[in-house]
Formats: sequence, structure tokens, C-alpha cells
Amino acid sequence: GAGVSQSPRYKVAKRGQDVALRCDPISGHVSLFWYQQALGQGPEFLTYFQNEAQLDKSGLPSDRFFAERPEGSVSTLKIQRTQQEDSAVYLCASSAPTRQGHEQYFGPGTRLTVT
Amino acid sequence: AQSVTQLGSHVSVSEGALVLLRCNYSSSVPPYLFWYVQYPNQGLQLLLKYTSAATLVKGINGFEAEFKKSETSFHLTKPSAHMSDAAEYFCAVSAFGGGGNKLTFGTGTQLKVEL
Repeated sequence: GAGVSQSPRYKVAKRGQDVALRCDPISGHVSLFWYQQALGQGPEFLTYFQNEAQLDKSGLPSDRFFAERPEGSVSTLKIQRTQQEDSAVYLCASSAPTRQGHEQYFGPGTRLTVT
Repeated sequence: AQSVTQLGSHVSVSEGALVLLRCNYSSSVPPYLFWYVQYPNQGLQLLLKYTSAATLVKGINGFEAEFKKSETSFHLTKPSAHMSDAAEYFCAVSAFGGGGNKLTFGTGTQLKVEL
């Protein structure tokens, strides 16, 4: 079946531009997570949705970062006035509760390069 | 709060040799622990997970890990390395299994397999 998809896969933005990154979770998955992975580092949590509700945004690094999931399915991560330090791979993951524990399924990521 | 430490950012083994990737965790509550693998330009794939059932966990591709509470460790092993195992491996911890709770990742271990 279809996994988590993300678009675009690669994005180059000039410093100061706004970008929007899209995540299509696995159908029926109520939980959706965004992570940021800097070069040579492990992914770091940004934000979490349960259906359309954003329950945790403690990892968003600044108010330039904004995420939404208006219909409880597709999510968009928006970065305003991009800076060079925003260059990273942005990973989306979705999950559904199971008796054995909640496994997160990851998409391929969007590699953002800010020049 | 949870954290993970992966000892050794790069590990090199010969094909057919034992693979041992180290992970130590810190958690204020009983942890759920995960190992993920990441191939170049791809998302994270779950290898195995510990969810407070059996302490020895078997995963995909011949990998296994043992949860040792006394040592706060969750090391990943494979008896015989294969060339296709070359990838980056991440250990991660969460408080409640990862469905409604974020994953905290280590910085990763790059595994190289040599002929």
C-alpha cells in the first residue's frame, strides 16, 4: 500500500523567501509528526497533530515556522523568511494506535537548501 | 524527559562479521525504544521496537536488540553483516510508544561494511 509521501523532494530557496512543504500521511492515520534533520544529525521533533488538532508545537524553532492540518489528513509545514540555518531535511511521519505500540512511518523527506 | 546517546558515529565491519551498534538511553519514565535505519535519500525505516514485553527484540533483516534496564542500554546486533546493511542507524526513545508522543533520536551511527 501507499506509504507517507512528501513534496517537493528537493527545494532551493533564496534567503528571505517563504516555502511550503507538503505531507500526505498513510490513509487513516490520525497522528502526524514533523521532524527536522540537519546534516549529520538525528531527526529532531518539530510538531505533532492528532487529526486536525496541533497538540504539541514545542519543537518549532521560531515563529517563522507554522504547520497546519486543516482536514486531519494532508499537512503543510510553512517556513517564512527562510534563513540559512533552516537548511535541513524535513521529515514527516504518521502513525495509528495498535495494541503493540504506535509505530511511526516516515516519508522520504524534503531537502531544503537556503542560499 | 528522554535522551539517547549513540556511541560511535562511524562503525566499520567486514562482511560476515558481527555488527554491534551501541545505544544508551535516559528516561524519567519507562521507555519505549526503537531502532531505525536510513538509506541515502530515503526516509527512516523501523528495524525493531521495545515496548515493555520481551527484553530481547527481533527485527527485520536479521537484526535484534536487547533491553537492559540496569545498564540503560538497547544495543543493536546482527550476527553476520551483509553489504546491504551499509546505512545510517538511529536509536530513538519515546515515553508512550510513539503514537501520541514524539521520538527523541540519537545522532546516528554510520555503518560501513567492507569486503
